[in-house]
Amino acid sequence: GAGVSQSPSNKVTEKGKDVELRCDPISGHTALYWYRQSLGQGLEFLIYFQGNSAPDKSGLPSDRFSAERTGGSVSTLTIQRTQQEDSAVYLCASSGSDRGFEQYFGPGTRLTVT
Amino acid sequence: RKEVEQDPGPFNVPEGATVAFNCTYSNSASQSFFWYRQDCRKEPKLLMSVYSSGNEDGRFTAQLNRASQYISLLIRDSKLSDSATYLCVVNAPNSGYALNFGKGTSLLVTP
Repeated sequence: GAGVSQSPSNKVTEKGKDVELRCDPISGHTALYWYRQSLGQGLEFLIYFQGNSAPDKSGLPSDRFSAERTGGSVSTLTIQRTQQEDSAVYLCASSGSDRGFEQYFGPGTRLTVT
Repeated sequence: RKEVEQDPGPFNVPEGATVAFNCTYSNSASQSFFWYRQDCRKEPKLLMSVYSSGNEDGRFTAQLNRASQYISLLIRDSKLSDSATYLCVVNAPNSGYALNFGKGTSLLVTP
């Protein structure tokens, strides 16, 4: 079946511009997560959506980062006024309600801020 | 202190060898533990969960020591296709199903 999809696969942007990254989770998965992986670093948790509950934003590094999930499915991660340190691979994952820790990852969006 | 710490390696082993990876975690409130595998420039994929009693999946054996906050992964009879980065993963307490990932241990299996 279809896995998690993300778009774009690559994004190059100039410092100070805003970017939007999209995630389409596995159909029927109620939980959706955003992580980022910087060069040589482990995955860093950003934000987590579970059903209709308020998202857990505890991992967002600054108020320039925000995310929304529409209709309990597709999610968009927005980074405003991008900085060079935002360059990373942004990974989205989803999981079913009964096996929340078994997270299936998308291929990621590689963001480069110049 | 990092939530999850791993030896980055690389571990270079010949085909057929047995190799072990270790990991420590800092938050004693963590309750769920996993090993993920990540191939170069690919997304992480769940390899196996780690249970308190230890568990085995084919050539892979995972162990958990809660008292020492230590997790291990043993790979027997290594295959070339096992070459990848192995990520030790622990749940983030009080953050639902959010996960804390180690930086990974790199394994290269050579002919």
